[in-house]
Amino acid sequence: AQSVTQLDSQVPVFEEAPVELRCNYSSSVSVYLFWYVQYPNQGLQLLLKYLSGSTLVESINGFEAEFNKSQTSFHLRKPSVHISDTAEYFCAVSETGGSYIPTFGRGTSLIVHP
Amino acid sequence: GAVVSQHPSRVICKSGTSVKIECRSLDFQATTMFWYRQFPKKSLMLMATSNEGSKATYEQGVEKDKFLINHASLTLSTLTVTSAHPEDSSFYICSARDRGPLGYTFGSGTRLTVV
Repeated sequence: AQSVTQLDSQVPVFEEAPVELRCNYSSSVSVYLFWYVQYPNQGLQLLLKYLSGSTLVESINGFEAEFNKSQTSFHLRKPSVHISDTAEYFCAVSETGGSYIPTFGRGTSLIVHP
Repeated sequence: GAVVSQHPSRVICKSGTSVKIECRSLDFQATTMFWYRQFPKKSLMLMATSNEGSKATYEQGVEKDKFLINHASLTLSTLTVTSAHPEDSSFYICSARDRGPLGYTFGSGTRLTVV
């Protein structure tokens, strides 16, 4: 069975500063990896995903994540955050060849201060 | 893009009553839908997998008699919280598969408060 660890429950940062949200996973088979964003009282929106190919994946709003198989990590980064990036971010993993149902981490609350 | 509509967004009910939450896929057919529960500052806990035309598959520890799931059509799944109690208060989110096994679209969630 797979599991996901998000090491930071909360990450405060000032506007225009860079940020990294950490995610590590555990699985005995190959995986697909996802980052979702959740704004207050809303559902989850897919931010980006790694399925295969290039280990660096990007979203349309400036976030990127890199799949590192040796370190079993999929950290999310943004070089310059905006106030509007304040939200809860969830890392998720899905095992290949299985049910594909994702397992979510506990979430990291990104708080961007002006 | 794929859209999943969840209704209501908020509901307050009295202890002992039942509440129904609807999850609809608006522009695609979803043979499989998922129901999650989210506690404050916690991750999403998968409650059950809802399959169109058949019984739902519940995760370990989820009371199927308390959380009734019906997936009567390819675009609608419902979750009924029966005889609700304050400890059932939570944020419930549905999800549906679209565009293959890895395409999940989430509803906007339902905040249930039982008083």
